[in-house]
Amino acid sequence: DTEVTQTPKHLVMGMTNKKSLKCEQHMGHRAMYWYKQKAKKPPELMFVYSYEKLSINESVPSRFSPECPNSSLLNLHLHALQPEDSALYLCASSQGTSGVRETQYFGPGTRLLVL
Amino acid sequence: DAKTTQPNSMESNEEEPVHLPCNHSTISGTDYIHWYRQLPSQGPEYVIHGLTSNVNNRMASLAIAEDRKSSTLILHRATLRDAAVYYCILRGDNYGQNFVFGPGTRLSVLP
Repeated sequence: DTEVTQTPKHLVMGMTNKKSLKCEQHMGHRAMYWYKQKAKKPPELMFVYSYEKLSINESVPSRFSPECPNSSLLNLHLHALQPEDSALYLCASSQGTSGVRETQYFGPGTRLLVL
Repeated sequence: DAKTTQPNSMESNEEEPVHLPCNHSTISGTDYIHWYRQLPSQGPEYVIHGLTSNVNNRMASLAIAEDRKSSTLILHRATLRDAAVYYCILRGDNYGQNFVFGPGTRLSVLP
């Protein structure tokens, strides 16, 4: 099974709402990633977890809060978002954490609209 | 970070070969060249990677210039399902876990 699943597929939220995005993989991968992708732009790295510990935070605003409850699961908690945060949020995983030959496996993404 | 440059868009006819170029003139000796593609409404997917020698797999071939300052992804027979954005990415020891996507090349395949 080489699948990364993400839920929900679509999410509409108001600026005062709190919501969470969920990502799951059962490949035994020890690194998991969150990316943000605006329309017609490439994905941009937000967070990296290695062995369930946050290892990279690319200066992401605190209204985005990642969580890695176990090695298979990655959450992104959203609170007080702005309309400009509307984007496709992609989750990915890789077997190791720093190998130059690592392949990343991506989920289909959650398309978020902030009103 | 070493940068890659790719054409914004390319067009191909179905069942013809496609050569997607990538320039990476500041590549370091230990950087690997990775290619990913993103089909419409999907997350990126791995295509191929290499260091110095040309590489083949079931999806594509990767031709790497002798000086490693450029590479070409080759799709041997384009199908309509190959229409996607193709990203050329460098991965090296200096980047750690950073995975930096450039703008990529949008490939259109005409029937």
